[in-house]
Amino acid sequence: GAVVSQHPSRVICKSGTSVKIECRSLDFQATTMFWYRQFPKKSLMLMATSNEGSKATYEQGVEKDKFLINHASLTLSTLTVTSAHPEDSSFYICSAPPPGLAGVGSLNEQFFGPGTRLTVL
Amino acid sequence: KNQVEQSPQSLIILEGKNCTLQCNYTVSPFSNLRWYKQDTGRGPVSLTIMTFSENTKSNGRYTATLDADTKQSSLHITASQLSDSASYICVVSVNTGFQKLVFGTGTRLLVSP
Repeated sequence: GAVVSQHPSRVICKSGTSVKIECRSLDFQATTMFWYRQFPKKSLMLMATSNEGSKATYEQGVEKDKFLINHASLTLSTLTVTSAHPEDSSFYICSAPPPGLAGVGSLNEQFFGPGTRLTVL
Repeated sequence: KNQVEQSPQSLIILEGKNCTLQCNYTVSPFSNLRWYKQDTGRGPVSLTIMTFSENTKSNGRYTATLDADTKQSSLHITASQLSDSASYICVVSVNTGFQKLVFGTGTRLLVSP
């Protein structure tokens, strides 16, 4: 099946620094990727939709200047957490639907990356 | 408001036993319902996907059911194994856009020897 990778798998940084997380579709092209964050024992919450070649679409309550998303190619989307604070510590997961039937009502599988554990000290 | 609720929140069973996890949803318009398995510190992995017209779908020892009238789904795990210990997430796809997913809070399953 399709594979989505993330790098790094875990990162520890100091408060105030910026952290970049990469999401790659390894064997398929993804014009759209999704970024989620997950707090301990909580469900995934969609942060933004990353669109190749255009601006990302952010969910309500997510600061676009805080979480910068760049979808520079059909296989790579990056999430940069700027000026990180301890409350940004979380598990960040990306996903991508493989090409095929697209759009409303699609049964397209959405493949999730393994996640990145961010700890801000 | 689109919501997906799961029960129980957590569950402990003995290895070899069966169990059933529940999912209730209020999502409209409904597209499909998915069950995912998420190991600790890993991304979710798909187990089943069901459309409105499907009542049941199996994937090995996992069997999902869907009652679109009552907006309920269940995931039955047969002959549990230690490796089944994980969180199981019910996810409903909204039929208004591309891949808009509503996630349940998950059921944490622990299979003990």
